[in-house]
This record gives sequence, structure tokens and C-alpha cells, in this order.
Amino acid sequence: NAGVTQTPKFQVLKTGQSMTLQCAQDMNHEYMSWYRQDPGMGLRLIHYSVGAGITDQGEVPNGYNVSRSTTEDFPLRLLSAAPSQTSVYFCASRKGRTLNSNYEQYFGPGTRLTVT
Amino acid sequence: GDSVTQMEGPVTLSEEAFLTINCTYTATGYPSLFWYVQYPGEGLQLLLKATKADDKGSNKGFEATYRKETTSFHLEKGSVQVSDSAVYFCALSGNNQGGKLIFGQGTELSVKP
Repeated sequence: NAGVTQTPKFQVLKTGQSMTLQCAQDMNHEYMSWYRQDPGMGLRLIHYSVGAGITDQGEVPNGYNVSRSTTEDFPLRLLSAAPSQTSVYFCASRKGRTLNSNYEQYFGPGTRLTVT
Repeated sequence: GDSVTQMEGPVTLSEEAFLTINCTYTATGYPSLFWYVQYPGEGLQLLLKATKADDKGSNKGFEATYRKETTSFHLEKGSVQVSDSAVYFCALSGNNQGGKLIFGQGTELSVKP
């Protein structure tokens, strides 16, 4: 049981390049999400999904796309990278689809992205 | 909207000192409250949680009590160790957030031998 895995661990992009951050979980969790972590700002939600085929926007969705074709995978796409997207990105998953969940969220190890 | 406010860090303590990290929240309804810990270079791990008023979450010597009257969920530990050095995040999951976690800004704790 690997939990939540993310690749790559580190990435450097030039402004305007595109890339996909991969996230996978093997716990059969319905809910998956992407956060970005910036100094002094905690974690902010980018996009989330309550199941295959269903995605929704979080607090800071601009510049990012997601899809959820399977329960296991939830990739995050940067279409045209900007320096403001330099951050650490965390994928997370948990059981359930309901509001006000008290299920634990499991986090991946993170991807550190630098955009020059 | 819902929000979480934590005391600013960094907090530096000597080993065996008492720790308090303050956390207050604003939310409609009855959110669930969490403390997550992030060790250097790692992702976040759940430390403890409380799902209703007056609940006390505890784990690894850490405790926090859900206080609805003061909208607080302060983290405490009686005797910290060097291995407790990490960043601590208070978070809530509320009724109107689609199950999303709302995080505080994090408090860095450094424990010196």
C-alpha cells in the first residue's frame, strides 16, 4: 500500500512551458485534491474531485487544469507556466464524497516546482 | 467564508518545555478541526482531530480541545522533544466547503537540546 504518490519530486520550467504533475493513490479514495504551499500562506486548494469524471475549482484554480478519468489518478496540468506558479504542490486523498468530512486526508510527498 | 488563524512563528523552545500553538477559526455550522504536522522535506500528516464541541483530540503527547464558545483549537504538549521540530498546521473542514480543508498559515516549531 503506497498511499499517495507524486511525480516528479522536483521540476524547473521556463515561463510558457507546460507540464503535468502526476498524482496517484491506491486506497480507493473517492476524494482527491491539489494544494499549493507558499511561505506564510499555508496550503491553498487548487482543484478537487469527488470521484471519477467529476472535478471542481478550489481557491486558486487559474492557470491549472485537472481531470479524473480513474479513481486512482488525478493529474494537475500547467498549460503555460508563470513565475507566480513557483511553489510546492501537494496532492491529497480521503474517503467519502460528502461535505463536512472528518475523514483524514492523506498527503503525498510534494513536488517542488520552480518557474524561471 | 471559513478561515483559520494561527499564531505566527517561528517558535523556539528548549527540550522539555511546554508548548502552546494558538489556533482560532471562523466557520458557519459545525466544522471538524484538525492539526497536521509537516516534518522537513515531507508531506503533511494528520496529528489529531476533533469533530464536535468539547471533543479532545490527542496523539503522541499532543492535545487540542474543540472550544466552540471561543472558536479555538489550541495545540498543547507538556514536554517537547527535538524530534517535534516541524511546521504545524491547524485546519478545518466545514459544511459549506465541499469537504475541502481550510488551512492556517502554519507555525514553525524549533526545539533546541
